[in-house]
Amino acid sequence: NAGVTQTPKFQVLKTGQSMTLQCAQDMNHNSMYWYRQDPGMGLRLIYYSASEGTTDKGEVPNGYNVSRLNKREFSLRLESAAPSQTSVYFCASSEPGMGEKLFFGSGTQLSVL
Amino acid sequence: GENVEQHPSTLSVQEGDSAVIKCTYSDSASNYFPWYKQELGKRPQLIIDIRSNVGEKKDQRIAVTLNKTAKHFSLHITETQPEDSAVYFCAASIGGGADGLTFGKGTHLIIQP
Repeated sequence: NAGVTQTPKFQVLKTGQSMTLQCAQDMNHNSMYWYRQDPGMGLRLIYYSASEGTTDKGEVPNGYNVSRLNKREFSLRLESAAPSQTSVYFCASSEPGMGEKLFFGSGTQLSVL
Repeated sequence: GENVEQHPSTLSVQEGDSAVIKCTYSDSASNYFPWYKQELGKRPQLIIDIRSNVGEKKDQRIAVTLNKTAKHFSLHITETQPEDSAVYFCAASIGGGADGLTFGKGTHLIIQP
């Protein structure tokens, strides 16, 4: 039981490049989330998926797209990376109605030059 | 949407003393208030949570208090130890929903030997 698995752990991009962050959970949770963490800013919600087949914008969605591929997997795509997207990205999952505890992945440290 | 303010941003205490971190929230509909601990380079992990039908909850050396009228909640750590050094985040949500948690900006707790 691995919990929430994110790949890659580290990535360096040049401005304008694209990439996809992958996330998978093996806890059969319905809800999945993408947060970004910046120094002094806490964790801010980018996008979430309340259940398979649905996605919604969070607090800071601009510049990102997401795909809920199936119940296990939720990916985050940067189409044209910008230096302002340099951050640590965390994927998380939860099961609403059975406690709102978020289970986080180990994070992806992304640098955009 | 919900807004969570957290204070202080940095807290330094002597080992063995108590530490208190305070948060306020804006949405009176919020009824779930968790606290997460994040050690350097690690993922955030839930340490304690409280729901709005409870005024206080304890778990060994940590406790959380909630004042619904004033819309604020606090984390109390007694008999602090070196392993308590970390960044602590408070959060709020409308319980039972799947739209994620709104986090405070974090408190860096430093335990001085």
